[in-house]
Amino acid sequence: DSGVTQTPKHLITATGQRVTLRCSPRSGDLSVYWYQQSLDQGLQFLIQYYNGEERAKGNILERFSAQQFPDLHSELNLSSLELGDSALYFCASSVGLAGAPSSYNEQFFGPGTRLTVL
Amino acid sequence: EDQVTQSPEALRLQEGESSSLNCSYTVSGLRGLFWYRQDPGKGPEFLFTLYSAGEEKEKERLKATLTKKESFLHITAPKPEDSATYLCAVHGSSNTGKLIFGQGTTLQVKP
Repeated sequence: DSGVTQTPKHLITATGQRVTLRCSPRSGDLSVYWYQQSLDQGLQFLIQYYNGEERAKGNILERFSAQQFPDLHSELNLSSLELGDSALYFCASSVGLAGAPSSYNEQFFGPGTRLTVL
Repeated sequence: EDQVTQSPEALRLQEGESSSLNCSYTVSGLRGLFWYRQDPGKGPEFLFTLYSAGEEKEKERLKATLTKKESFLHITAPKPEDSATYLCAVHGSSNTGKLIFGQGTTLQVKP
């Protein structure tokens, strides 16, 4: 158990709908990361938050958005869902912001949310 | 462009048959190379971080090594419970927390 929690575990929805995925980081971790894993793309970085502020963006679609709240939990919002958005969505957390090499920047992953868009 | 390539894609071993997994990387200014284990439908489980060439780390039957261009994950006398996908990742050059992952090596250890 990494200490990172994600809800829900599974989500089945229809095209065009909107869903919210939730993540609680490990106690003491300030950075939260979101990743998408699909069979053909592997693990892809979406976005990073540090202590409530957006710090880095990856290949995140405009239909997707995220935020980190004052209690450090994070939510990933996916809207206008398409069949191709079906994937595993992982949240990870670390103590640090990520800059100099440090164990503070090691990322620990949650169990994921499996999203199926029908 | 930052890139991570893992080989082989799949590896089948008999229990007790030692082998190595390869991770080749291209990144400006390595800030850490990470190994994870992932079981089907589960989140990646952190194994090791390596920071500089020549560094080695061990955990049970696993040993990770690092050179300036690649990392190896050596598996000594594997057991069926070592069956999983092993992922390698590096921090990108952009000085953020973004991890760039390889496609993984799926290891199957038969009893």
